[in-house]
Amino acid sequence: DIQMTQSPSSLSASVGDRVTITCQASQDISDSLNWYQQKPGKAPKIMIYDASNLETGVPARFSGEGSGTDFTFTINSLQPEDIATYYCQQYNHLPITFGQGTRLEIK
Amino acid sequence: QLQLQESGPGLLKPSQTLSLTCTVSGDSISVGDNYWSWIRQPPGRGLEWIGYIFHSGLTFYNPSLKSRVRMSLDTSKNQFSLNVTSVTATDTGTYYCARYRLTTGNWFDPWGQGTLVTVSS
Repeated sequence: DIQMTQSPSSLSASVGDRVTITCQASQDISDSLNWYQQKPGKAPKIMIYDASNLETGVPARFSGEGSGTDFTFTINSLQPEDIATYYCQQYNHLPITFGQGTRLEIK
Repeated sequence: QLQLQESGPGLLKPSQTLSLTCTVSGDSISVGDNYWSWIRQPPGRGLEWIGYIFHSGLTFYNPSLKSRVRMSLDTSKNQFSLNVTSVTATDTGTYYCARYRLTTGNWFDPWGQGTLVTVSS
C-alpha cells in the first residue's frame, strides 16, 4: 500500500494567515492526488483534484501543487469558515489511501 | 443532481454481519464510468477506503478487509450494498458511500451523509 503522510497533524492559525499543509507519498504517484475538506459531522468535500486543479465552486484562496512524492495544499488568507480537517488521497495505486488528516483551528 | 444516502442498522454485536445500503438518486447506477464506493471513518480518526463496485458487478476491495467484505448492486432499486462479516469493535465508525469516476475524475464526489455503525456487546 502507498502510505500518505500529512504534516502537521494539527495547525492553529489566525484569520488572514497563509496556511500550508504537506502530504508525502511513500512512492511516486505522479499527480494522482486529491485534497478534501471535512467539517465536523459532515462528509468530506473535494477541494483540489489531480494535485493542482481547483474543483468548481471552491474559492480561489485554495490551491495545491506537487508531483511525484511531495505535495502541498495552501489556503491564502484563512477565513473562519475554513476551519476543518483536510485530507490528501492518492489514486495512483490500489488500494486508494488517505493521509491521516490535518486539523486546522483558528487562533 | 446526484445524491447518495446510506441506510442500515446502527448497532451490532461482535461477530455479526454489517449490512448497509446506499440509495442513489439523480442518475442510474447501471450506466457510465461510475464506481460506487464505500469509505469508513473510525470515531475521531481518518478515512479508509473499503472498496468499490462497477455496474458490471466488477469489484475492487481493500486487502485489509478483503476476506470479510462483499459489495453488490440492486439495479432495480438503484442501490448498492456493503456487507462486512465477523465485525469487531474496530469496525465501529461512520460509513460513507460515494461515487468515484475512474476515467473522468478520480475523486470521490458526491458523498452520502454517512451512517454511524457501532459494534458493541
